[in-house]
Amino acid sequence: DIQMTQSPSSLSASIGDGVTITCRASQSISTYLNWYQQKPGKAPKLLIFAASSLQSGVPSRFSGSGSGTDFTLTISSLQPEDFATYYCQQSYSTPRRFGQGTKLEIK
Amino acid sequence: EVQLVQSGAEVKKPGESLKISCKVSGYTFSTYWIGWVRQTPGKGLEWMGVIYPGDSDTRYSPSFQGQVTISADKSISTAYLQWSSLKASDTAIYYCARRDGYSGYLYFDYWGQGTLVTVSS
Repeated sequence: DIQMTQSPSSLSASIGDGVTITCRASQSISTYLNWYQQKPGKAPKLLIFAASSLQSGVPSRFSGSGSGTDFTLTISSLQPEDFATYYCQQSYSTPRRFGQGTKLEIK
Repeated sequence: EVQLVQSGAEVKKPGESLKISCKVSGYTFSTYWIGWVRQTPGKGLEWMGVIYPGDSDTRYSPSFQGQVTISADKSISTAYLQWSSLKASDTAIYYCARRDGYSGYLYFDYWGQGTLVTVSS
């Protein structure tokens, strides 16, 4: 199985800040990496697939990059609605594991 | 509009059986894989498995193989997740989600609202 590790586990930032979340795979997954956002009491929402492709309707302040084992999700200018938990997921092989999540909180 | 509507919360005792459902609308059910994802406070999101309703081809995570059964009924556009003997450790929120893909890149693009399953004596 491919293990996914996110860092940090939690992060505090202010409105307007830029933030970066990292996801590392235990082996190379090329660009088979998705990012999801989850708000309390809600289902996850797809933000990015194929490491850097923005899902339709997702604001352009979200961007993803990386390949191989190291990936990043960047939010360029935090808005109030961006405070949530973010998960990466590898789509390279079954089981398509998720990272443990990064909780983004308001400072 | 694509929608996945899951069945309501369940409270069960250890050893009991359970089948939860995920009814879809807004697209052709038999042409997209449907997956199930477990969420617990301790382990986060866990990919359980997927089913292709067109031919019932099913893939399981090794962690869930033999522990649950994923099925689908094309005639009513509904996917299912079932247990024959629940354990306290099955307490979690379970999500169904539609799997889509682009050039081999797979992702869950639409999700159900989640079903809370509580197993307690």
